[in-house]
Amino acid sequence: QVQLVESGGGVVQPGRSLRLSCAASGFTFSTYAMHWVRQAPGKGLEWVAFISYDETTKYYADSVKGRFTISRDNSKNTLYLQMNSQRAEDTAVYYCARDPSQSGSYYFQYWGQGTLVTVSS
Amino acid sequence: EIVLTQSPGTLSLSPGERATLSCRASQSVSSNYLAWYQQKPGQAPRLLIYGASSRATGIPERFSGSGSGTDFTLTISRLEPEDFAVYYCQQYGSSPLTFGGGTKVEI
Repeated sequence: QVQLVESGGGVVQPGRSLRLSCAASGFTFSTYAMHWVRQAPGKGLEWVAFISYDETTKYYADSVKGRFTISRDNSKNTLYLQMNSQRAEDTAVYYCARDPSQSGSYYFQYWGQGTLVTVSS
Repeated sequence: EIVLTQSPGTLSLSPGERATLSCRASQSVSSNYLAWYQQKPGQAPRLLIYGASSRATGIPERFSGSGSGTDFTLTISRLEPEDFAVYYCQQYGSSPLTFGGGTKVEI
């Protein structure tokens, strides 16, 4: 069965960096596009970033553009989110989610359990 | 950016009753690219419906989606105890991908 396991969350000071990972199993990771979606405590869902199966296409929400970078290592079945210049408003549970297709259908077919990032001094 | 407005904010119902959740878009959603998700406390969201009316794998028939253009509806025909949760709609017809604010279905 499809499994997505996020890691790398924690407490980070404003302006610092953090890298999240998402380990995928139960499917052929290299043939699916992937996303990051976040949820601030007690709030709704916000799409963060998209990457196609072969990394040739990447999209970002305006709120993170220029600060966050999505990437993947298909040899390791792992998705990443490099988060730089963190702000208090980046505090959220970050979910990785699988797209139904290679190049993007842009909805979220399977989700991981999420990892909490807290930006605080 | 397409803004999705979900109503009501909270729906108070009993098991066995019918639930009707609304999602209204600020502009037409291209090709009816509208999905619905269910989220229970402390859990990740789960895909219920995509393409406005197609049920995802393993989703019970009591869940159905309808609508087009700017008005979409998620209907739960007879509420089961495990259906009490928060429901989100999401449009994927244009960038950026956006979610509605959610509807909480409570007992």
